[in-house]
Amino acid sequence: RKEVEQDPGPFNVPEGATVAFNCTYSNSASQSFFWYRQDCRKEPKLLMSVYSSGNEDGRFTAQLNRASQYISLLIRDSKLSDSATYLCVVIPGSARQLTFGSGTQLTVLP
Amino acid sequence: AAGVIQSPRHLIKEKRETATLKCYPIPRHDTVYWYQQGPGQDPQFLISFYEKMQSDKGSIPDRFSAQQFSDYHSELNMSSLELGDSALYFCASSLDPGYEQYFGPGTRLTVT
Repeated sequence: RKEVEQDPGPFNVPEGATVAFNCTYSNSASQSFFWYRQDCRKEPKLLMSVYSSGNEDGRFTAQLNRASQYISLLIRDSKLSDSATYLCVVIPGSARQLTFGSGTQLTVLP
Repeated sequence: AAGVIQSPRHLIKEKRETATLKCYPIPRHDTVYWYQQGPGQDPQFLISFYEKMQSDKGSIPDRFSAQQFSDYHSELNMSSLELGDSALYFCASSLDPGYEQYFGPGTRLTVT
């Protein structure tokens, strides 16, 4: 079982739709949580860190539920430019390197 | 804003050859991480350095070595290359260990 599990996708949604991605992690000692996006054959780009209180950045909202070891990302009013693979990323326990989920592919359709 | 710089961007090598990948972190970032991403896979952590000392080690083959220099740039040295080493190699840097990591554009290594 992978340390970080994500919805397999792919998600194909029309422009303007709201889409939610979910992720679970297995190491209860994990301290840091992030969402990255990765476009084809390019580097992962940090989308947002995820805090226990939840956080919002424009159209993007991230939530963390430590009790359930569950992280979510909500994208409102989807744009064509949101099409990418979304990676749920965790720093497990006392480690400092990133552990990636397998990613969820999103395609926003015109 | 300055980003992580990696060179070369593309590299083609033959089996059993050696390769050196370079990474220049964002200014004032003292922590560097190396990741390997095979086709259709998620990035896998190889090794990291903090203040020029190795800090964590992941699934890095014994044929690979790395170091961080006094100017904080890092080099990944790969010897006895195998076909399976063909992948994207990303370097990331952070202000301190555990902080957000920012990735460079990657080096695409092809071993023939």
